[in-house]
Amino acid sequence: ETGVTQTPRHLVMGMTNKKSLKCEQHLGHNAMYWYKQSAKKPLELMFVYNFKEQTENNSVPSRFSPECPNSSHLFLHLHTLQPEDSALYLCASSHRTSGETQYFGPGTRLLVL
Amino acid sequence: DAKTTQPPSMDCAEGRAANLPCNHSTISGNEYVYWYRQIHSQGPQYIIHGLKNNETNEMASLIITEDRKSSTLILPHATLRDTAVYYCIVRSRDNYGQNFVFGPGTRLSVLP
Repeated sequence: ETGVTQTPRHLVMGMTNKKSLKCEQHLGHNAMYWYKQSAKKPLELMFVYNFKEQTENNSVPSRFSPECPNSSHLFLHLHTLQPEDSALYLCASSHRTSGETQYFGPGTRLLVL
Repeated sequence: DAKTTQPPSMDCAEGRAANLPCNHSTISGNEYVYWYRQIHSQGPQYIIHGLKNNETNEMASLIITEDRKSSTLILPHATLRDTAVYYCIVRSRDNYGQNFVFGPGTRLSVLP
């Protein structure tokens, strides 16, 4: 138990669906992150939030839309995804973005049909 | 790109020490060495980090060479639950916005 929770743990969706992934951290951290891990590939950083402000977007397609209403919660809104978007989506948090240890949630396993 | 090089896989007998090497020959003076592991289909788990001194915690020990160009993660008594992919990452703690870059890591198999 790292203090970072993610829901749902598994999600199956069609290409026309809209769904959201939720992440919550109970560590009092100020920075939160979304990563994507496709099969047999290293983790890829998607978005970074620091004090609720997005500080990094690593050329992620607009069908992925993050939202950070406060420092404890992070969402990833999904719409019109493609089958190649099927992956493990991981949330992480850290005290700050500058060099602090990141703690990861268990991930959401997404399958797009 | 990841700044580290690790062997793609290693085996270790249960109960023995697992020594996982990592090369980071281009490490900068202000960059720390971090180790994470990822058990199948779970989120990465933080293990340990260090700058230049050897470090030990309840999970592992980290040995960093004097020139800091390589390091070794030691799991003193490996168990089957230690089977995972282990990632070695170098990162500065004072560069705003610099993020962790995960390479392919080392897949450690602990054998009974």
